[in-house]
Amino acid sequence: GAVVSQHPSRVICKSGTSVKIECRSLDFQATTMFWYRQFPKKSLMLMATSNEGSKATYEQGVEKDKFLINHASLTLSTLTVTSAHPEDSSFYICSASPPTGTDTQYFGPGTRLTVL
Amino acid sequence: SQQGEEDPQALSIQEGENATMNCSYKTSINNLQWYRQNSGRGLVHLILIRSNEREKHSGRLRVTLDTSKKSSSLLITASRAADTASYFCAPNSGYSTLTFGKGTMLLVSP
Repeated sequence: GAVVSQHPSRVICKSGTSVKIECRSLDFQATTMFWYRQFPKKSLMLMATSNEGSKATYEQGVEKDKFLINHASLTLSTLTVTSAHPEDSSFYICSASPPTGTDTQYFGPGTRLTVL
Repeated sequence: SQQGEEDPQALSIQEGENATMNCSYKTSINNLQWYRQNSGRGLVHLILIRSNEREKHSGRLRVTLDTSKKSSSLLITASRAADTASYFCAPNSGYSTLTFGKGTMLLVSP
């Protein structure tokens, strides 16, 4: 099946620093990727839709300047958490859909961000 | 996109027993998908059932869909400890994005 990877799997950083998370589709091209955030024991919250070659579409309440998304190629999207604060600590998951028309999304393994 | 609501919130069973979890949604759909998430991991796609299907099987999984009641169920037969995870449904009305509820947390004890 389709494989989506994320890097890094875990990151601990100091408050005020920026952290970049990569999402790659390994065996298919994805014009659209999605970024989710999950709080402990909570459901996934869609943060934004990443579109290759154009600006990301952010969900209501998600700060564009805080969570920078760049979809530079058909296999790579990056999420940069700028000036991270402890409240940004969370589990970030990306997903992508192969162009098969089934709407099935394949998820990356997630990135655990801890901001001290 | 619309959010599915899973029920029960948590389910604890013994190995070998069957586990049934339900999903309800509010508006018409093109398909409904079930996903599994192991603790601290990403989601894994389990099965997709289309709106014109009533039942679908995949290994030990059986999914039903009742569009008149706007509900779906996921049955895991002969459960194993490795089935311990959270299970989410995602009703899809034709948009690319999926919205997830809080899921059902399944615990299978040896």
